[in-house]
Amino acid sequence: DTAVSQTPKYLVTQMGNDKSIKCEQNLGHDTMYWYKQDSKKFLKIMFSYNNKELIINETVPNRFSPKSPDKAHLNLHINSLELGDSAVYFCASRNTQETQYFGPGTRLLVL
Amino acid sequence: DQQVKQNSPSLSVQEGRISILNCDYTNSMFDYFLWYKKYPAEGPTFLISISSIKDKNEDGRFTVFLNKSAKHLSLHIVPSQPGDSAVYFCAATQYSGAGSYQLTFGKGTKLSVIP
Repeated sequence: DTAVSQTPKYLVTQMGNDKSIKCEQNLGHDTMYWYKQDSKKFLKIMFSYNNKELIINETVPNRFSPKSPDKAHLNLHINSLELGDSAVYFCASRNTQETQYFGPGTRLLVL
Repeated sequence: DQQVKQNSPSLSVQEGRISILNCDYTNSMFDYFLWYKKYPAEGPTFLISISSIKDKNEDGRFTVFLNKSAKHLSLHIVPSQPGDSAVYFCAATQYSGAGSYQLTFGKGTKLSVIP
């Protein structure tokens, strides 16, 4: 009964490909996030959705497109993958202000 | 521009002693502060938090102290245990509109507790 799950856990792909990462939370939370942890280990927010509506959209290339089919899901689609997209991507969800629950991460490697 | 800074990338502490992890921030709009713990190949796990209206919050072996005037917070772990070895992220939150709160993370401090 994982609270926040992500698939796949590992993703290795070639430059130029299009890929998707899926996220699901079974906590009944209203808000979901995508974070990117780059090679320098910084965790940076990319997107936030509240009740399926986009709330935060940080300076992220428009090759990245989040999609929230319902409150429990926030998927991340990436077009035309580049080498610099290699990172760990974390999904999170939040109910109250103080606590975000994170998924296990998806390790993306672009070759 | 790093709004949340953890200046010590690593810290080694003997088992049973106190671990003190430090964090500084620059944005005075932050109103809630959190510590997350992260093991390799796992997502960050919430550990403890503190509101900006308080200066101390305690939960078992973990205590967070906040000094608003200095824009500084610290996490104390007493006594430290080998299982505490992980990367600790300091994070701060501010309201970003439409019911959403944005977390800003520090770079993390890797704690190693030596048996």
